Parts: sequence; C-alpha cells; structure tokens
Amino acid sequence: AQSVTQPDIHITVSEGASLELRCNYSYGATPYLFWYVQSPGQGLQLLLKYFSGDTLVQGIKGFEAEFKRSQSSFNLRKPSVHWSDAAEYFCAVGARGSTLGRLYFGRGTQLTVWP
Amino acid sequence: GAVVSQHPSWVICKSGTSVKIECRSLDFQATTMFWYRQFPKQSLMLMATSNEGSKATYEQGVEKDKFLINHASLTLSTLTVTSAHPEDSSFYICSARDKLAGGRMETQYFGPGTRLLVL
Repeated sequence: AQSVTQPDIHITVSEGASLELRCNYSYGATPYLFWYVQSPGQGLQLLLKYFSGDTLVQGIKGFEAEFKRSQSSFNLRKPSVHWSDAAEYFCAVGARGSTLGRLYFGRGTQLTVWP
Repeated sequence: GAVVSQHPSWVICKSGTSVKIECRSLDFQATTMFWYRQFPKQSLMLMATSNEGSKATYEQGVEKDKFLINHASLTLSTLTVTSAHPEDSSFYICSARDKLAGGRMETQYFGPGTRLLVL
C-alpha cells in the first residue's frame, strides 16, 4: 500500500534562509509525486509535480523538488524563504495507471518564518 | 486556471441536524470529485470518490449513510452530513478532476474547504 512520510512536523527558518522539507514514500513502483501548500483555513495549492523525466522539477513561487528513486524521496527546496511562505506543506503520491486519481497525503510540515 | 468552489465556507449547526456542502467546478467539467476530511494539524484523509451519475465509492471506515454524496452533474457534487454530532466537526475539502483531460491525475483541482462546527 502507498504511504507518505513527512518526518518534520514543524520547521522554523529565518527569512532569506534556505529551506528543505523532507518527504519519503512507500510504493511498489515510481508513483506520481506532488507537493501542495495550504495557508490557514484555505484549500490546497499545487506547488509542483513529478511524473517522469528530469528528476529535478521546478514549481511555482521559487520552489523545486528532486526525486531520488534510490532513497524513495521527493524533498522540497527553496534557496531563500520569504515570510509569505509560512504555511502547511503536504507531500502526496498517486498510483501510476490509476483511473481514479486518488492521492495519498503525508501528515504535513508546518513552516514558520522568522523575520 | 481551473477553479473549484465550495459552499458554504463555514457552517455552525446544532447536534442532530443535517448539513449539505456543495462542491462546484466553475470552468470545467469534472468526471470525478473527491471528498477529504482534515482534522486540525493533521493530513487530509480521503472519504470518498464520486463519479458523475454513479454511486460514490467510500473509503474503509467512512459511514456511507452518515456522509451522503451526490454527484448529479459534471460540475456539482454535494456532501451531506446527516444527523451531525460534535465529532463530525472538521474541515472538509473537495477536489475535482477535469473531464477534458481524460482523467489525468495532474488535473485535480482543490476547493477552498468548508469548516463545520457541530454544537
């Protein structure tokens, strides 16, 4: 069965510092991989996704993520964090070949940004 | 971009009453809609998958008689929480998949969520 692990519940960084949010998944093959961001009381916004090809994917708001098959990881990075990046971040996986398109979410990582 | 709306954005109701939440795809037709539930500081848990014109598929542990889902058209799905109790208080989020994209996963769009508080 698919599962997603986000080992960091809460991360605090200073504005301008670099950021890396960890995500590990368990799946029998290479899944579809996603990162979403959720602001308080809001729905989810897609930051980026990986389906195939280049393992380093670029997303919106200056985020990028790297798929590492050997480590079953899809970590999210940003070189310089802005105060507006404070939010909850979710990693998600979806099964390849799935006709339903259901996603499995990690528990999320809360990002706090200090001025 | 594609937009999914939810109504209401928040609702407070008395225990024992029923509450209906609407999920609409505003500028695309959705073959499939998903309903999630999110507890505070926790992840999204899929409750059910609904396809237009057919019965919803519920996840294990979700009471289908308590959480009624109707997907009557390609742009509207509703979730009705019947005889709501305080433990049903939660944040409910829907997502919709674009029909024209052939059901590809990347075209799943999320609504802003509905916060339900049962007193």
